Amino acid sequence: DTAVSQTPKYLVTQMGNDKSIKCEQNLGHDTMYWYKQDSKKFLKIMFSYNNKELIINETVPNRFSPKSPDKAHLNLHINSLELGDSAVYFCASNQVGSGNTIYFGEGSWLTVV
Amino acid sequence: AQRVTQPEKLLSVFKGAPVELKCNYSYSGSPELFWYVQYSRQRLQLLLRHISRESIKGFTADLNKGETSFHLKKPFAQEEDSAMYYCALGSNYKLTFGKGTLLTVNP
Repeated sequence: DTAVSQTPKYLVTQMGNDKSIKCEQNLGHDTMYWYKQDSKKFLKIMFSYNNKELIINETVPNRFSPKSPDKAHLNLHINSLELGDSAVYFCASNQVGSGNTIYFGEGSWLTVV
Repeated sequence: AQRVTQPEKLLSVFKGAPVELKCNYSYSGSPELFWYVQYSRQRLQLLLRHISRESIKGFTADLNKGETSFHLKKPFAQEEDSAMYYCALGSNYKLTFGKGTLLTVNP
């Protein structure tokens, strides 16, 4: 029943490793997002995809590579993890249009040690 | 460029007191504004959107285009309202958040 689901929920990994976070939505939305919430609780958009096409890339380092195999999935791969990458990453989706709500996943808590 | 400002990082009130969380925005087009709430270690949930003009959990918010504001109000705060509140401005393919206000309702 979960509308936007992301895995894993918690991830602890060492600096330099490569990791992926997966996201799936079953709402039939055509647009998906990745947001980052830092330790100060600031929320910032990283990427948005519409029908598998990259629409927004908010000056995110190229160590971060999103991949959208289809419009229901948007995965986030991170290479060469750094301490500053520790954050909560939220996947989200919506159907773009006037007043359409963005629905968020539960978040993935990434800790880089 | 679109920008959302929430001037209060922290807001603490007593149970039963009125609460107002401030939000101002900057946007050249016609804004779509939202309030999202995040309870401790949970996902963000939509609380209100200006287009529907509804009241959820006793909260209301009115879009004031003259003052470019979308303040969130509740006449009588409850302890379960304690959470992080984010004002957000939506445009195609992007939702821009304010920095959030942490509301604490004390017994």
